[in-house]
Amino acid sequence: GDSVTQMEGPVTLSEEAFLTINCTYTATGYPSLFWYVQYPGEGLQLLLKATKADDKGSNKGFEATYRKETTSFHLEKGSVQVSDSAVYFCALGGTYKYIFGTGTRLKVLA
Amino acid sequence: EAQVTQNPRYLITVTGKKLTVTCSQNMNHEYMSWYRQDPGLGLRQIYYSMNVEVTDKGDVPEGYKVSRKEKRNFPLILESPSPNQTSLYFCASRLAGESYNEQFFGPGTRLTVL
Repeated sequence: GDSVTQMEGPVTLSEEAFLTINCTYTATGYPSLFWYVQYPGEGLQLLLKATKADDKGSNKGFEATYRKETTSFHLEKGSVQVSDSAVYFCALGGTYKYIFGTGTRLKVLA
Repeated sequence: EAQVTQNPRYLITVTGKKLTVTCSQNMNHEYMSWYRQDPGLGLRQIYYSMNVEVTDKGDVPEGYKVSRKEKRNFPLILESPSPNQTSLYFCASRLAGESYNEQFFGPGTRLTVL
């Protein structure tokens, strides 16, 4: 069945460092891909999405490209801030069902 | 304000005592879904509903029931809770149609079953 494999955390970075969180997937068909962010004590919020191969999603300085050839959707940000500290989830969406990764906790130090 | 609300936010109960977690959205969304979040396992989908009176199982439906009698509400029912249902639960909703429509999540319900 469909699955999402996400980089283990926690990831600890200094402010202004470059961030990469790896995400790979297996899926039948052509799912949409998402990154969600969860701040402490809150529900998940959509960070960015891509709906087809080679699409790039971007938001708040974060980017991810839907790579069909490598079945990947890695999250990147050029310069992280303390306020980016959160848990990040990669997810794929079929017609009705969603598969989430295990989440990667990011901690950014000032 | 557009939102998904869940009640209660925190609940401690005992094995076998039936409980209901309510979920309501004010965005007129057709699609609603329940997830549970567990350490090391991420979010797993319990049930989803495409519209009123239309529900289907997600990946981990055992021990749960849902109903969708009104468009805005999607309660999660645990008829006989067990300790392995201790978890953080999230309700979500989105517009019908393509899966790339954004899901909006509630704030979560932390359930402890003793």
